[in-house]
Amino acid sequence: DIQMTQSPSSVSASVGDRVTITCRASQGIYSWLAWYQLKPGKAPKLLIYAASSLQSGVPSRFSGSGSGTDFTLTISSLQPEDFATYYCQQGNSFPYTFGQGTKLEI
Amino acid sequence: QVQLLESGPGLVKPSQTLSLTCTLSGGSISSGDYYWTWIRQPAGKGLEWIGRIFSSGSPNYNPSLRGRVTMSVDASKNQFSLKLSSVTAADTAVYYCAQAVAGTRWFDPWGQGTLVTVSS
Repeated sequence: DIQMTQSPSSVSASVGDRVTITCRASQGIYSWLAWYQLKPGKAPKLLIYAASSLQSGVPSRFSGSGSGTDFTLTISSLQPEDFATYYCQQGNSFPYTFGQGTKLEI
Repeated sequence: QVQLLESGPGLVKPSQTLSLTCTLSGGSISSGDYYWTWIRQPAGKGLEWIGRIFSSGSPNYNPSLRGRVTMSVDASKNQFSLKLSSVTAADTAVYYCAQAVAGTRWFDPWGQGTLVTVSS
């Protein structure tokens, strides 16, 4: 299985801050990477697909980059509703696997 | 707008079979353009892809669960289902259903999830 390693596991930030989360794959996955936002009691939300494509309806302060093994999710100016847990997911090969998550806290 | 809703027992006894259903609204499960997916999250842990099934069948399962997982589609009810046999406490988790466009490898939308606890 492809292992996905996210860092940091948690980060404290303030409204207006710029935050970057990284995700590293144990082997090359081209651009088969997605980012999701999870909040308790709510349906998870797809933010970024194909490493850098913004899902329709997602604010432009979210951006993704990378290819191969190293990827980043950047939130340019944190808003109160962005405090959540973020996961990367590889779609290069079965079984699809997720990172361990990054909790973004105030 | 497509919405997914998971349903099923919240408590299952060890060694029994966990059965969940995901009902689709705002779309047709037999459109042929989507994979129907199950993902779970044990408390305090990360997400685990369980598997997916195309509207016409042809499932793909996570090898870590192979032999215990069965997925199916019921087009007449616009639903797809998950069965996980011989459950243990390690199968306690929030279970999500999700849609993936055929040819893509990401999930959108997801259901809100349903907690299943395995306990006697």
